Amino acid sequence: GAVVSQHPSRVICKSGTSVKIECRSLDFQATTMFWYRQFPKQSLMLMATSNEGSKATYEQGVEKDKFLINHASLTLSTLTVTSAHPEDSSFYICSARLASTGELFFGEGSRLTVL
Amino acid sequence: QKEVEQNSGPLSVPEGAIASLNCTYSDRGSQSFFWYRQYSGKSPELIMSIYSNGDKEDGRFTAQLNKASQYVSLLIRDSQPSDSATYLCAVNWDGGYNKLIFGAGTRLAVHP
Repeated sequence: GAVVSQHPSRVICKSGTSVKIECRSLDFQATTMFWYRQFPKQSLMLMATSNEGSKATYEQGVEKDKFLINHASLTLSTLTVTSAHPEDSSFYICSARLASTGELFFGEGSRLTVL
Repeated sequence: QKEVEQNSGPLSVPEGAIASLNCTYSDRGSQSFFWYRQYSGKSPELIMSIYSNGDKEDGRFTAQLNKASQYVSLLIRDSQPSDSATYLCAVNWDGGYNKLIFGAGTRLAVHP
């Protein structure tokens, strides 16, 4: 399958700081990437759809000014959690869609802990 | 509201048995269906995709789709303890950017 790489895999930060997470499609171009959040023992929750060269589309209830998404190239999307608080601690997972099949491939995930 | 429903489990099966995982969806316009496996603390990995009615086999896995009943299932033959994970059903919602809607997942436990 296609490869999606996410970095960093783990990050610990202080409350009030910002954290950037990168998502790269390594062997294919992805015009659309998706960002999910998953709390312990819960399912994936779609946060936003990242579109190359245009603004991201956010799901209802997700603050666009808090979760900044940039999709500057066909292989890279970034998620910045601004002014992080302990309740933002979660497992953030990006995914990229293979246009030919519609299959979604996931990055390894980034576990964010806000102290 | 687009919905994908799965029994949360746990589904417990003995090693070597067939595990049957089920999923129903609400959007009749859905065309693409996927099964993902997620181990605890890891991100989901794609197991199977299915697009037309009937069965699709890949090794020990068989996906079954019935669009009329809005039902998709995954069979795992000769279940192994390493198959113990949460299985997520995903259905495309062809609105906007063709995003996938995920079910809550079924936790499978294969015991020796």
